[in-house]
Amino acid sequence: AAGVIQSPRHLIKEKRETATLKCYPIPRHDTVYWYQQGPGQDPQFLISFYEKMQSDKGSIPDRFSAQQFSDYHSELNMSSLELGDSALYFCASSLVGVHSYEQYFGPGTRLTVT
Amino acid sequence: GDSVTQMEGPVTLSEEAFLTINCTYTATGYPSLFWYVQYPGEGLQLLLKATKADDKGSNKGFEATYRKETTSFHLEKGSVQVSDSAVYFCALRGSGGSNYKLTFGKGTLLTVNP
Repeated sequence: AAGVIQSPRHLIKEKRETATLKCYPIPRHDTVYWYQQGPGQDPQFLISFYEKMQSDKGSIPDRFSAQQFSDYHSELNMSSLELGDSALYFCASSLVGVHSYEQYFGPGTRLTVT
Repeated sequence: GDSVTQMEGPVTLSEEAFLTINCTYTATGYPSLFWYVQYPGEGLQLLLKATKADDKGSNKGFEATYRKETTSFHLEKGSVQVSDSAVYFCALRGSGGSNYKLTFGKGTLLTVNP
């Protein structure tokens, strides 16, 4: 079965640079979620989109922005990167109204800021 | 707001030992509860879920029962294997409005020795 695809899997950037992470949800899923997992930490919710509209917002810095496109893929844009942004970024997708909104996670993008 | 408190690790067991990882939650309404597993270097995989009080989620020999009276969702397995070594996260999804985001506990590292 198709899973959530994230690209790139690894990304190395320097401080103050920008980064773009991409997420391709499971086909027909209408909701995308972004989470950030720092080293040894639990995943923290950043932002979500339902049918291309922002549906919820968590602890996402103002330097970050995200959107969901017409084909339902999503991109997380991160600017003015800081050392503390080094983390594993997960995307998850779900189909609202089915299976209790079960979220399926991608393999994550590991961002390292040097 | 919603929160999940999970047993601190790490937990080290011998193969075939009994496993319990405690999880309690704070949430309004009737949240759905989940256990996710993260193997080294990989993403989050849904292990089991329960969507209402007294539901028992089970998968791969793992079980957890949604106890509303004690606001708990403890993970158990009767006989662990070396391959169960991973980080286990308890998580909840709120029940209100568009609040579909997951709130995670801090995670419990389980190491099973042969």
